[in-house]
Amino acid sequence: GQNIDQPTEMTATEGAIVQINCTYQTSGFNGLFWYQQHAGEAPTFLSYNVLDGLEEKGRFSSFLSRSKGYSYLLLKELQMKDSASYLCAVLDSNYQLIWGAGTKLIIKP
Amino acid sequence: IAGITQAPTSQILAAGRRMTLRCTQDMRHNAMYWYRQDLGLGLRLIHYSNTAGTTGKGEVPDGYSVSRANTDDFPLTLASAVPSQTSVYFCASSVGGLTDTQYFGPGTRLTVL
Repeated sequence: GQNIDQPTEMTATEGAIVQINCTYQTSGFNGLFWYQQHAGEAPTFLSYNVLDGLEEKGRFSSFLSRSKGYSYLLLKELQMKDSASYLCAVLDSNYQLIWGAGTKLIIKP
Repeated sequence: IAGITQAPTSQILAAGRRMTLRCTQDMRHNAMYWYRQDLGLGLRLIHYSNTAGTTGKGEVPDGYSVSRANTDDFPLTLASAVPSQTSVYFCASSVGGLTDTQYFGPGTRLTVL
């Protein structure tokens, strides 16, 4: 079966750095997405990785290793507004998007 | 309208009733999607449409139907609601297919009693 694994919840301190991991087992791979979802709101796009390596966008970076079936989202200089769920989704060989259950990130002052 | 809108925002529905959730986008995106989001589970695709006039089944299509008469609108119909359809429903759109960024509507919270 196809599976996306993310930690259910993480806690971090304002101003710190946090890494949210995502491991996947899918039938093929055509890219990996990260979305942010604030409580009660819609998901919004953060990043898309299709090649191995690190992609940086301001305070957020996303890393992919296709051989390990692994990605992480790195958030630097955490702000209270970063408290949200972070969703990992993988596009498989049939171009089906498989979503993880999300990681709820709690930021403490 | 700016982006993608959904109506209603929330609804409580008696089991057995018919319900249509509305979704409209003004971005001229070709592809549109309906998802349901349940606590502890990832988003699950119900139906999708790659372009006006075409639709396809997603992961959990049973009990739901869709139509795509034009580019902008993609309504989702529950023919006879059941309590297991209690969920938050998100409509999304993308320029092309699934390799493109999806833009999500604000969601509809549906409770079936």
